[in-house]
Amino acid sequence: GAVVSQHPSWVICKSGTSVKIECRSLDFQATTMFWYRQFPKQSLMLMATSNEGSKATYEQGVEKDKFLINHASLTLSTLTVTSAHPEDSSFYICSASDPGLAGGYNEQFFGPGTRLTVL
Amino acid sequence: KNQVEQSPQSLIILEGKNCTLQCNYTVSPFSNLRWYKQDTGRGPVSLTIMTFSENTKSNGRYTATLDADTKQSSLHITASQLSDSASYICVVSARGNNRLAFGKGNQVVVIP
Repeated sequence: GAVVSQHPSWVICKSGTSVKIECRSLDFQATTMFWYRQFPKQSLMLMATSNEGSKATYEQGVEKDKFLINHASLTLSTLTVTSAHPEDSSFYICSASDPGLAGGYNEQFFGPGTRLTVL
Repeated sequence: KNQVEQSPQSLIILEGKNCTLQCNYTVSPFSNLRWYKQDTGRGPVSLTIMTFSENTKSNGRYTATLDADTKQSSLHITASQLSDSASYICVVSARGNNRLAFGKGNQVVVIP
């Protein structure tokens, strides 16, 4: 149980285009979803937290107009990288949580990640 | 300064040998500590999760320990296998919020 999927697993795009990444909780309802970015040999860095039906909360330094997050249902959140540039190339990972799972640990279940390469 | 520090940054071990990874944290108030395994190009997969009252937890060949007084944890891998090659990430959760503090990971390479 508690499986999270991401699509696509990798994407290559031209500079200036927009890319949408989907994150789905497959067997549970995720009240909260998180988006992370990870550069090589670095920690996961939280970009934003989203609750179903409300606006996402962005971390300091993350441009909300560039990284659009939509959490329209309890099983789906999307991250759209608008006008992507080479410096946006990274590994994007989502996670989902439901306080009712995992014995109250409020554990986050991670997706497999999406590798974005902007040329 | 990162709230979660891991050491060693990387290590190479022979297949079949044991190894121990270290995690020190400053997160307070403490809620729980998790160890994740992250294969290259994949998302983190949970190995163990421990609360304040737990000082050891095992998952197969992985055994995690926690000393909440000294704010230290370790992950011991027994009889390593080639498939254990991965980054092992220590993650600490603070009580009262859902924010996680991530270490940079211990990069383990198991060679035959």
